[in-house]
Amino acid sequence: GENVEQHPSTLSVQEGDSAVIKCTYSDSASNYFPWYKQELGKGPQLIIDIRSNVGEKKDQRIAVTLNKTAKHFSLHITETQPEDSAVYFCAARGGGSYIPTFGRGTSLIVHP
Amino acid sequence: DTGVSQDPRHKITKRGQNVTFRCDPISEHNRLYWYRQTLGQGPEFLTYFQNEAQLEKSRLLSDRFSAERPKGSFSTLEIQRTEQGDSAMYLCASSLVLAGGPSVRQETQYFGPGTRLLVL
Repeated sequence: GENVEQHPSTLSVQEGDSAVIKCTYSDSASNYFPWYKQELGKGPQLIIDIRSNVGEKKDQRIAVTLNKTAKHFSLHITETQPEDSAVYFCAARGGGSYIPTFGRGTSLIVHP
Repeated sequence: DTGVSQDPRHKITKRGQNVTFRCDPISEHNRLYWYRQTLGQGPEFLTYFQNEAQLEKSRLLSDRFSAERPKGSFSTLEIQRTEQGDSAMYLCASSLVLAGGPSVRQETQYFGPGTRLLVL
């Protein structure tokens, strides 16, 4: 089955800096890669996703890149703000399966 | 609010008791998923429904767990004879997949706020 590795487990940045979270996956058939933000006591919220037919997608301060050859994808947050502080999860899905495999999460802390 | 809702948000129970959780998906969504999330981990798939049919169950779903979606709308997840290892956040997600429409790659799952279970 699919295996998703996510790094780092914790990321601490100053407000205004950029943050990058990286994930690798094992199943070359995976074709959909969502990113979720989870705040304390809440469920994961989809913030951006990318499908295998594109290499990059951007939405305001958030961007995701995908390298299918290397089987890795990354989340980039620019001009970080304290409200970006949360746990971020990557996931990979594909090969005809509806079930995503999640990474273990990255706790992002943005210091004012 | 038209998002996914779950009830209760928190549940404390004693070992050996039965508990039941409810999930109300986004109204037009035909797929409904249950996940379990423990501290420091991502969500782990338990089971999912297409309308009222339960199509897949994870090996994580022991015989003590049962899920239903009787009318293809809300779903319940019951845990019988709870154990301390069942303590976790139970998440529900829903999505819309159109028959003959976009492929699986077009499906997006939306999560509810979760039910946090503590078994004493």
